[in-house]
Amino acid sequence: KQEVTQIPAALSVPEGENLVLNCSFTDSAIYNLQWFRQDPGKGLTSLLLIQSSQREQTSGRLNASLDKSSGRSTLYIAASQPGDSATYLCAVTTDSWGKLQFGAGTQVVVTP
Amino acid sequence: NAGVTQTPKFRILKIGQSMTLQCTQDMNHNYMYWYRQDPGMGLKLIYYSVGAGITDKGEVPNGYNVSRSTTEDFPLRLELAAPSQTSVYFCASSDPGLASEQFFGPGTRLTVL
Repeated sequence: KQEVTQIPAALSVPEGENLVLNCSFTDSAIYNLQWFRQDPGKGLTSLLLIQSSQREQTSGRLNASLDKSSGRSTLYIAASQPGDSATYLCAVTTDSWGKLQFGAGTQVVVTP
Repeated sequence: NAGVTQTPKFRILKIGQSMTLQCTQDMNHNYMYWYRQDPGMGLKLIYYSVGAGITDKGEVPNGYNVSRSTTEDFPLRLELAAPSQTSVYFCASSDPGLASEQFFGPGTRLTVL
């Protein structure tokens, strides 16, 4: 059974530092991996989607890498800002129906 | 486009009551999903649908039912509510395809007392 783990569960950094968020999964037979942002009391916003054939995706200050063979993905957020404070969730798709399996998330606080 | 909308935003139920959580999307997506999120946990899939008239169980379907009569709507029915169903419920939709991201609604916070 696929297990998705995110460590640490919480992270606090001063503004301007780069953020590094980790996601690991136990079964490398994934179709894609998505990173989401969740603000308190809100829904999820998709940040980046990496297909299984890709090694990384970039959007603005965000860069996500994928190493399927080791079962790991990393989300980098450059030059963090207080507005980046949120919970970040990773999820993998293990079939063609797009069903997602989520990690528990990393809660990020960026202090001014 | 409104995207994915969910109603109600909040609801308190008594044990044994029933209710329907509504979900509508205006993006003409074939695939729709219901997830639940318990405090401090990731989301878990309850049911999903790959088109009108086609539904299937996810990881945690017990105590729930769904229907999909149109492309736009995917209601989730709770029968005989139990305290274990206290959670935040999210509906999502996507196009088919491995490059298709899922779009989420704002969620329904349900408490069963």
